[in-house]
Amino acid sequence: KQEVTQIPAALSVPEGENLVLNCSFTDSAIYNLQWFRQDPGKGLTSLLLIQSSQREQTSGRLNASLDKSSGRSTLYIAASQPGDSATYLCAVRHNQGGKLIFGQGTELSVKP
Amino acid sequence: EPEVTQTPSHQVTQMGQEVILRCVPISNHLYFYWYRQILGQKVEFLVSFYNNEISEKSEIFDDQFSVERPDGSNFTLKIRSTKLEDSAMYFCASGSTSLGEQFFGPGTRLTVL
Repeated sequence: KQEVTQIPAALSVPEGENLVLNCSFTDSAIYNLQWFRQDPGKGLTSLLLIQSSQREQTSGRLNASLDKSSGRSTLYIAASQPGDSATYLCAVRHNQGGKLIFGQGTELSVKP
Repeated sequence: EPEVTQTPSHQVTQMGQEVILRCVPISNHLYFYWYRQILGQKVEFLVSFYNNEISEKSEIFDDQFSVERPDGSNFTLKIRSTKLEDSAMYFCASGSTSLGEQFFGPGTRLTVL
């Protein structure tokens, strides 16, 4: 059974710092991995989708990497801003059209 | 920019009552999903729907749950007889392809008293 774990559970950094959020999964037979942002009491905003054949995917200040064989993904945020404060979730998908399996999230706080 | 919408944003109901949660997926999307998130817990998959039928469901999605796409725009989740443990945020999601991004709605907070 696939398990997705995110470390750390919470992270507080000063504004301007670069940071890395980690996601690990137990079964490497995935089709893709998606990173989301969730603001308190709100829905999930898709940030990046990285296919199993890709090593990296970039969007603005965000860069996601994927090492499928070791069951790991990282989300790198450059030059963090207070507006980046949110919970970041990663989710993996095994089969076509199928479900996403989520980690518990990393709660990020960026202090001005 | 197209987005998934959900109504209502908050629903309060008594235990044993039926509730219907409504979603309008992005218009050209073909794959539809429901997830839920109990407060403080992970987002959990409930059901996926494609070509007017359920393609996958979780063990949570028992006989008390059903989904329907009654017309070309709406996608609904019905809970026939709500339980206290059904209290959660329910998210609808849609995707244009089987392996593409899933786009989530803002959620419906269901409170069962």
